[in-house]
Parts: sequence; structure tokens; C-alpha cells
Amino acid sequence: DGGITQSPKYLFRKEGQNVTLSCEQNLNHDAMYWYRQDPGQGLRLIYYSQIVNDFQKGDIAEGYSVSREKKESFPLTVTSAQKNPTAFYLCASSLGQRRTLSGANVLTFGAGSRLTVL
Amino acid sequence: GDSVTQMEGPVTLSEEAFLTINCTYTATGYPSLFWYVQYPGEGLQLLLKATKADDKGSNKGFEATYRKETTSFHLEKGSVQVSDSAVYFCALPTDSWGKLQFGAGTQVVVTP
Repeated sequence: DGGITQSPKYLFRKEGQNVTLSCEQNLNHDAMYWYRQDPGQGLRLIYYSQIVNDFQKGDIAEGYSVSREKKESFPLTVTSAQKNPTAFYLCASSLGQRRTLSGANVLTFGAGSRLTVL
Repeated sequence: GDSVTQMEGPVTLSEEAFLTINCTYTATGYPSLFWYVQYPGEGLQLLLKATKADDKGSNKGFEATYRKETTSFHLEKGSVQVSDSAVYFCALPTDSWGKLQFGAGTQVVVTP
């Protein structure tokens, strides 16, 4: 079955360390996204990518970096510059410009990665 | 800019009660509208969608009608179960590629 795989599910980090969260999809989707979720605050967009080798900042990109070297993969690095990195991180993908017949561009999400800074 | 506002939670209900979660939006034109659900410890799943005004989306006993007159997309279920306990998010797209603006989420707790 096609889907999105995020790893690791849980990650602990010491202050000052960079960590990389993995996101892989086998849906043949063009667009990929990273969202951050904090309790009671909904989801906030960190970065997104519409095609390989291209990505754009979202609403809260400071302290994060991404790459999109392959269509299937969109890893997120949480750098030491991110002041409050403890959160639940969600990766998602969509068809992008190749929408479904209904015209609605649906996001498919991974199961998430929970990062805790000690 | 485009935005979504949904009612705050938590909403606590007894099993078989009627559930309504209010969602209103601000947008240019008539975008598609979505409800996503997040079960504890998991990612989000699409619950239902409506692609144009007056459409009704439905799935798993949940319904929502896209009402352009009131710019609303309220989620309803006639008889909730304990398994419906989750966080529900209303969302609308902010571009044609799939980028979504989410509401803050409404936690629903259903007790036996």
C-alpha cells in the first residue's frame, strides 16, 4: 500500500544538537510539506516543496532546513538555532498540480515524529 | 489572507449524543474545504471534503455542508461513539498545489 513513512517516531535531543527527521513517500506525489504541531495551536507550515530540487519557506521556517534531492524524500533538519524545537512534526504530500478528478487537492499525512529536547 | 476559525474544545459528550463542531472561513472565491481527524498519537487523516458551494461531504457518519452564504463548513454526527474521540481540524487550501491552512483543532472526548 502506498503511503508516507516518517522516522523516527520518537526522538530525544540535547540542546545544541542538530537532528534530522526522515519523510519518505511512495505515492508518486509531486508536492511535500512539513508541519509542526504544538498542543492547542493546530498545525503550522515549516517548509514545502512542489518539485524536486526546489522548496519554499512556510510560516515558521527559522531554525529549520530541508532538501528535496529525490521525489520520494523530504528530510527536515531541526538545527540548534531553533529556539523551542520540542513538538510533534508531521510530513504530508499531495499530487500538486496533478489533482484528483474532483479538483480537490488532498494532503496525505505520515504518522508523525515527536521530538523532545532535553 | 485566507483563514479558518473553528470552535474551541474540548467537547465532551456521552456516547450516542449529537456532535456539532463549528467552522467558518475567510477566503477569496470558493475554495475546497476539508475536515481532517487526528486520533491519539497519530497523523491526520482526511475525514471528508467538499469541492464547491452547497456540496455536502460525508464519511463514517459525519457530514458537513459547504455554505457560502454563511462561509461555514460545520461538522456534524448524529450519534457519536467512543471511537470518535479525536481532534478534528477544519482546513482550506491556500494555493492550487495542496498547501492547507488549518484551524486550531477541536478535541472531542466521548464517554461511555
